[in-house]
Amino acid sequence: KAGVTQTPRYLIKTRGQQVTLSCSPISGHRSVSWYQQTPGQGLQFLFEYFSETQRNKGNFPGRFSGRQFSNSRSEMNVSTLELGDSALYLCASKLAGAYNEQFFGPGTRLTVL
Amino acid sequence: GESVGLHLPTLSVQEGDNSIINCAYSNSASDYFIWYKQESGKGPQFIIDIRSNMDKRQGQRVTVLLNKTVKHLSLQIAATQPGDSAVYFCAEREIQGAQKLVFGQGTRLTINP
Repeated sequence: KAGVTQTPRYLIKTRGQQVTLSCSPISGHRSVSWYQQTPGQGLQFLFEYFSETQRNKGNFPGRFSGRQFSNSRSEMNVSTLELGDSALYLCASKLAGAYNEQFFGPGTRLTVL
Repeated sequence: GESVGLHLPTLSVQEGDNSIINCAYSNSASDYFIWYKQESGKGPQFIIDIRSNMDKRQGQRVTVLLNKTVKHLSLQIAATQPGDSAVYFCAEREIQGAQKLVFGQGTRLTINP
């Protein structure tokens, strides 16, 4: 069974640009969440989607947005990039159910110049 | 995936010894706790979890202890192996049933041969 896949793995952008990151969950997983990982702030929750609906959102500015498609694939978008947005963006998926394991993808490394 | 902070706590142990990694969590209402392992270039990998109605849970070579009185979580790894070298994160779920996790800062574990 394939794991969570994220594309692209590495990305370089300049300030002011926008970026879209993609996540394909494990087959059958309808719950997808996104996290930002930086050396200074650690792992921080961005948002959670289930069946195309955003269920929770972290404390990030409106420049960070996401969506989920009917096939459970998810994208996140960051507009007007800032230097501080440089980070590893991780996607995780899980089966529905309160105590099912959350599986993480390898992440997309975004560098903003 | 780099997951280290500039001042990430570190722990070095000899191969074959036992190691204990500690974590203080923040929300007394959290109902679910997970330990993750993150190796360089990879996303976090599930190790073991524990629900708030338990105080101990054992897996293969790993044990998690939960002390709700002082909001403390620990991960014990028995007979450490070189492959155990990684950054370890504890995570708590503050909202029952949600996928949002709040992660600790992480501890870098190094196994010395």
